Amino acid sequence: QVQLVESGGGLVKPGGSLRLSCEASGFTFSACYMSWIRQAPGKGLEWVSYINTGGTTMYYGDSVKGRFTISRDNAKNSLYLQMDSLRDEDTAVYYCARADVAVAGADAFDVWGQGTMVTVSS
Amino acid sequence: SYVLTQPPSVSVAPGQTASITCGGDNIGSTSVHWYQQKPGQAPVLVIYYDSDRPAGIPERFSGSNSGNTATLTISRVEAGDEADYFCQVWERNSRHYVFGTGTKVTVL
Repeated sequence: QVQLVESGGGLVKPGGSLRLSCEASGFTFSACYMSWIRQAPGKGLEWVSYINTGGTTMYYGDSVKGRFTISRDNAKNSLYLQMDSLRDEDTAVYYCARADVAVAGADAFDVWGQGTMVTVSS
Repeated sequence: SYVLTQPPSVSVAPGQTASITCGGDNIGSTSVHWYQQKPGQAPVLVIYYDSDRPAGIPERFSGSNSGNTATLTISRVEAGDEADYFCQVWERNSRHYVFGTGTKVTVL
């Protein structure tokens, strides 16, 4: 079935780095726009980053620009988020989500992973 | 940056109608999407392009968008509809996705 599975979360000290992965299955990954979205404990949703189908266009939220890097490997059906210079305020559950033009258009996230928790603390 | 404002909470009795608003400057000129999130779960898309429903979403869920306000309407509310709801747009000027502040729907 259609599925996104995130991994790579954990505990990291401020200033440290972490790489998140998201493995897709059950659909044509290379045809979908992908994003990372996070949710701090007890808070709302915050979009983090976007990448187009070919991996040539990326956008970032203001709070992570210059520190986070999104990438994808269509041959491996995988999405990544390299997180550097981590701060306490980056603590959150990180979700990967797809936007499939053929299903719900280019701007709506119609499939989400279960999320991976990132905790930044000394 | 573009801001989407939602009421923090909405309470509704079973069988009644819940309306959740999402306010933004000229939001009617863009497409709005809505998500339902239950505790400990990932969000689920319930409305896209203002008023379209993904497969599997009940017809009780509907949406509208005009002027400065988009609205998600849940008719004949059930206990299982109790959740947080978020609106979302693509803000083309900043090339950012923006989520609303979220609304907790409580079924009395």
